[in-house]
Amino acid sequence: GESVGLHLPTLSVQEGDNSIINCAYSNSASDYFIWYKQESGKGPQFIIDIRSNMDKRQGQRVTVLLNKTVKHLSLQIAATQPGDSAVYFCADVYNNNDMRFGAGTRLTVKP
Amino acid sequence: DAMVIQNPRYQVTQFGKPVTLSCSQTLNHNVMYWYQQKSSQAPKLLFHYYDKDFNNEADTPDNFQSRRPNTSFCFLDIRSPGLGDAAMYLCATSRTGGFSTDTQYFGPGTRLTVL
Repeated sequence: GESVGLHLPTLSVQEGDNSIINCAYSNSASDYFIWYKQESGKGPQFIIDIRSNMDKRQGQRVTVLLNKTVKHLSLQIAATQPGDSAVYFCADVYNNNDMRFGAGTRLTVKP
Repeated sequence: DAMVIQNPRYQVTQFGKPVTLSCSQTLNHNVMYWYQQKSSQAPKLLFHYYDKDFNNEADTPDNFQSRRPNTSFCFLDIRSPGLGDAAMYLCATSRTGGFSTDTQYFGPGTRLTVL
């Protein structure tokens, strides 16, 4: 089956810098995308989502960009803080009932 | 306040010894999911209940079973755990079950060790 993948398994940034986490998906029919944050010892937590009719969506310190032409999704975190250290998963959804997680990127924030 | 509760947080079992993991929710959601998450991997959906209707994923081994005696509780039974079943097991809920029209709420997970 088709799956969602990530370019980099780990990312290390300095506190205060911006972080960019990338994701490639393969199902061109996917119409909804989600970013989750999973801290150590916890379940995934919804961060932000975007529908396929949009190319950008902003939240508090986070922005998701969607490029459907190349099937690429990114999560930008502004002014990264130690509390942002976690594993970040993207997920794509097809037809509201089929969701696939990507492999995850571990973000480490250095003080 | 905890919304999706999983007990125990850590479970150790022996190879081949049946084990049950439990999940409860205070959200009164219709849908409850069980995911398996192996180390450094993404969660993988095993099955879900929409109310009392059980929905198994095609590639979920028969070794994994589930029960939902009421709205609040859902159990994951592993009949004969193998070493490859060692993982974090995540429970999640949603009100309607639509991935793009609803939000999933995850519990903290139960980490299963198989000796």
